[in-house]
Amino acid sequence: QKEVEQNSGPLSVPEGAIASLNCTYSDRGSQSFFWYRQYSGKSPELIMFIYSNGDKEDGRFTAQLNKASQYVSLLIRDSQPSDSATYLCAVGNTGGFKTIFGAGTRLFVKA
Amino acid sequence: GAGVSQSPSNKVTEKGKDVELRCDPISGHTALYWYRQSLGQGLEFLIYFQGNSAPDKSGLPSDRFSAERTGGSVSTLTIQRTQQEDSAVYLCASSSRLAVMDTQYFGPGTRLTVL
Repeated sequence: QKEVEQNSGPLSVPEGAIASLNCTYSDRGSQSFFWYRQYSGKSPELIMFIYSNGDKEDGRFTAQLNKASQYVSLLIRDSQPSDSATYLCAVGNTGGFKTIFGAGTRLFVKA
Repeated sequence: GAGVSQSPSNKVTEKGKDVELRCDPISGHTALYWYRQSLGQGLEFLIYFQGNSAPDKSGLPSDRFSAERTGGSVSTLTIQRTQQEDSAVYLCASSSRLAVMDTQYFGPGTRLTVL
């Protein structure tokens, strides 16, 4: 079992729709959770982090964390073609000294 | 301030040659990571440095790979006797351990091509 799992996609949504990206992790003691966005040919950049159960909103982005079920998700409202990228879920392991990345989900937003 | 820098941006080498990739982290960041990303793939963790602690080398794929970090700042990833399967983008990231959140800031990467 991989430590951090994501559906590789591609996930295709129409412009203006809500894109839902999911991630599960295996280390129950994980404390910090991140979503990075990576455009083709570019380096990953941080979108959001979350460490408490529940929702965290930042503009069009909402991160959701459920530690009991060991999953974290990212919702993108009013999706735009510019949101088309690979979204990487990352989890800080117990003790917080190393972050493990998932393989990423490719998102396509159709104009 | 300046971000993470990496050099060279591109490196083409012949099979069997050694290569050195350099990473300059953000000033003051104590944690430094190396990752490898093959075309269309996710990030493959290679090695992690944290301050003066012994590095976590658990991700290095073979003994041809090594890395060091001098003075707690600049890091060099060395690949000896390169193979074609080593071709990938090598990404470096740094983070500050002063905060709980280990937000990593990535450099632009070095694209390695082994002919």
